[in-house]
Formats: sequence, structure tokens, C-alpha cells
Amino acid sequence: DAGITQSPRYKITETGRQVTLMCHQTWSHSYMFWYRQDLGHGLRLIYYSAAADITDKGEVPDGYVVSRSKTENFPLTLESATRSQTSVYFCASSTTGGSSGRGNIQYFGAGTRLSVL
Amino acid sequence: GIQVEQSPPDLILQEGANSTLRCNFSDSVNNLQWFHQNPWGQLINLFYIPSGTKQNGRLSATTVATERYSLLYISSSQTTDSGVYFCAVERAGTASKLTFGTGTRLQVTL
Repeated sequence: DAGITQSPRYKITETGRQVTLMCHQTWSHSYMFWYRQDLGHGLRLIYYSAAADITDKGEVPDGYVVSRSKTENFPLTLESATRSQTSVYFCASSTTGGSSGRGNIQYFGAGTRLSVL
Repeated sequence: GIQVEQSPPDLILQEGANSTLRCNFSDSVNNLQWFHQNPWGQLINLFYIPSGTKQNGRLSATTVATERYSLLYISSSQTTDSGVYFCAVERAGTASKLTFGTGTRLQVTL
């Protein structure tokens, strides 16, 4: 049972380059999420998806693009990377969302550490 | 947006000691989760607890939704409890958007 996997685990890029972070889950969870973790800010939601082809913005969406053509995949793209996007990125998934009881529990991938030089 | 404050920000305990971590939030919530981030960065869900009390081994949690706070109790702490504990809430009416606190960093020493 692979669960939720993120790739790559580490990435170094330069400002202005496009970068795509991958997230894959094997549970057929409906909901998927992208967060970034920075010192002093905890985790902040970038984008989330309630199902294939349904995405919505979170707290800090600027500079990021997401897509979800298949239930199991939720890639995050930095269209033109900036130094302020240096961070650790976490993908998560849950069975349901909203007031749905234990289905709301979010399961996290191992994270991708991104450095933008 | 909803504000989530955790206290204390840092905590150092000797192995075997008990501790209480607190999470205050500024609005009504329909979802509250506690997470543990271990020293290698992995985030693990500990509790889904929008109200009431739950126990899981040496850990227990209580949420008093009407007073807008939640407590995480760690008893007989072990070095493996070290890491950062996060509280995350979803404001009522904002489906699926968890807001995280800035965490309590716990270090358990021998």
C-alpha cells in the first residue's frame, strides 16, 4: 500500500524556471491538497481539489498552477519560480471534505524540499 | 480568516513527564485535527476532534468548541514524542480549508 507519494523529494532550481511537483495517491481519495511550510508560518494551503477537474484556491495561490485530470494525481506547477517560493511543499489527501466526520482526516506525503536560487 | 494560536511555542521535557498543549481558535469550527511532525518532517494525524474527548494510548485530546479551544495531553512522554505538534481547524462554512497554527515544538530528553 503505497499511500501518498511526492516527487521529487528535493529540488534545486533557478529563478524564472518552471517547476512541477508531483503528488500521487493510491487510496482513491476525493480530496487532495497542496501546502507550503515556512518557518514562522506553519503550513499554508495553496490549492485544493474536491475531485477530478475541480480545483479551488487556498490561502496563498499566487504563482502556482494546479490540475487534476485523474483522481490519483495532483501536480503543482510553479510557472516562473521566485526565491520566495523556496519552501517545503506537502501534498495531502482525504476521503471527504467539509462536515463529513472522520472522512476529513488528512494524510500527508513526505514533502518536497524546493530551493530556488 | 480564522486565527489559530498554539501554546507554548516550545517545550522541553524529561522522559516520563506529562504535558498539555493548547490550541485557541477565533471562530466556530466544524473540523479540528491534531498532527505530529516528527524530526524527519513527516506529518501524522493524531486526532480528528471537532468536539469532545478522545484517547489514543498515551495521548488524549479535548475540544471545547463553545469556548474555542482544544487541548492535547501527552502522558509519560518518550523521546519518540519529540517534534512539532500542529493544531489545524476548518472554519464552519469553509469546506475543506484547514488553517494550521504555528505549532508547539516539543523536545523530550533522557
